[in-house]
Amino acid sequence: AQRVTQPEKLLSVFKGAPVELKCNYSYSGSPELFWYVQYSRQRLQLLLRHISRESIKGFTADLNKGETSFHLKKPFAQEEDSAMYYCALSGGAQKLVFGQGTRLTINP
Amino acid sequence: EAGVAQSPRYKIIEKRQSVAFWCNPISGHATLYWYQQILGQGPKLLIQFQNNGVVDDSQLPKDRFSAERLKGVDSTLKIQPAKLEDSAVYLCASSRDFTPNEQFFGPGTRLTVL
Repeated sequence: AQRVTQPEKLLSVFKGAPVELKCNYSYSGSPELFWYVQYSRQRLQLLLRHISRESIKGFTADLNKGETSFHLKKPFAQEEDSAMYYCALSGGAQKLVFGQGTRLTINP
Repeated sequence: EAGVAQSPRYKIIEKRQSVAFWCNPISGHATLYWYQQILGQGPKLLIQFQNNGVVDDSQLPKDRFSAERLKGVDSTLKIQPAKLEDSAVYLCASSRDFTPNEQFFGPGTRLTVL
């Protein structure tokens, strides 16, 4: 079975502080992991995927197969980072399984 | 390119009534998805179409939910009859190919069942 766990429903940090949104997954095969983001009054959209190994808007995420984690990190938070973040997994079934999401609030 | 379109944006019905949602994916996208997002949860896949064929409907409550994608373009999701627990946001998404590498989401339809 495929499962994604985001242990924090809410996360609040100050502007300029580091941010880490946690994501753990359960999958017996070789997964593809994604982070999707939903800004206020906007659509859900892809932020980054692990196979690209790229940094988007200053965010990075590393797949750790040993710990089955795919945490999202940013060294210096900005107010515009406030949003709902969803971690998602694609296994052999080629469908996305989403975590419950973390609401990130950046305080000025 | 134009994004995924959905209508209506909001719908309020009473339990046991019927409701239908419409989705128009991005032009040229072969794969179309319907998700149900209950408040406080992440999106849950209900059904996935590849052109006009169903790839995965394992989580679709088939006793009350149905979906079709005529001519491999637009899609309609129907609930008949609705239950209170069907209150949710229904999201439509599309992707260019057979893998979910990047799905483009519509604005969603917020359904309230009273």
